[in-house]
Amino acid sequence: GAGVSQSPSNKVTEKGKDVELRCDPISGHTALYWYRQSLGQGLEFLIYFQGNSAPDKSGLPSDRFSAERTGGSVSTLTIQRTQQEDSAVYLCASSFLQGDNQPQHFGDGTRLSIL
Amino acid sequence: GQQVMQIPQYQHVQEGEDFTTYCNSSTTLSNIQWYKQRPGGHPVFLIQLVKSGEVKKQKRLTFQFGEAKKNSSLHITATQTTDVGTYFCAVNYGGSQGNLIFGKGTKLSVKP
Repeated sequence: GAGVSQSPSNKVTEKGKDVELRCDPISGHTALYWYRQSLGQGLEFLIYFQGNSAPDKSGLPSDRFSAERTGGSVSTLTIQRTQQEDSAVYLCASSFLQGDNQPQHFGDGTRLSIL
Repeated sequence: GQQVMQIPQYQHVQEGEDFTTYCNSSTTLSNIQWYKQRPGGHPVFLIQLVKSGEVKKQKRLTFQFGEAKKNSSLHITATQTTDVGTYFCAVNYGGSQGNLIFGKGTKLSVKP
């Protein structure tokens, strides 16, 4: 597609439920990034993928969070046993290559609300 | 972990006034990127600075990278209501890390 696509755009769920967020990067982009943004706050790095591998998982807040990427394209971020503090906008970004000189292209995010 | 300090956190200006946001690091940066996030939107890449002392301009926006590559600034001349949003710097310290470290952003509001 023309841009990074994320789904769903909004997700409301009850505490304790599992949720799965999807990111479809720009075609041809090998690097994919997940961030979390709480209301009015900056971007918190979660994880990035180079191809299908995730060299850096240091940003995942707890073992309830996991992510995978298959086929070097679509990625899913899964949050198990959701807690209210997980409420935030989850942003996905992709770049042509992994590296420190590549601009990142962001999707519109998934707004997650935990009741 | 490594962090980047961005100031101010908020800036309210009258339309036509100038605006500057600053990004500071305690260690040398490989490069720095600037992003703009409109209210309700997602961050959009503006520019990247790589060289020591580099200055780049985009219309009314001027971006500078310090000589020591530890700080950067974004200056907007004669702000317009369309400049409203949050401006983030994002840095990479080089090496094998692939992720950018984002500043907390400066939220700009412009009063017409």
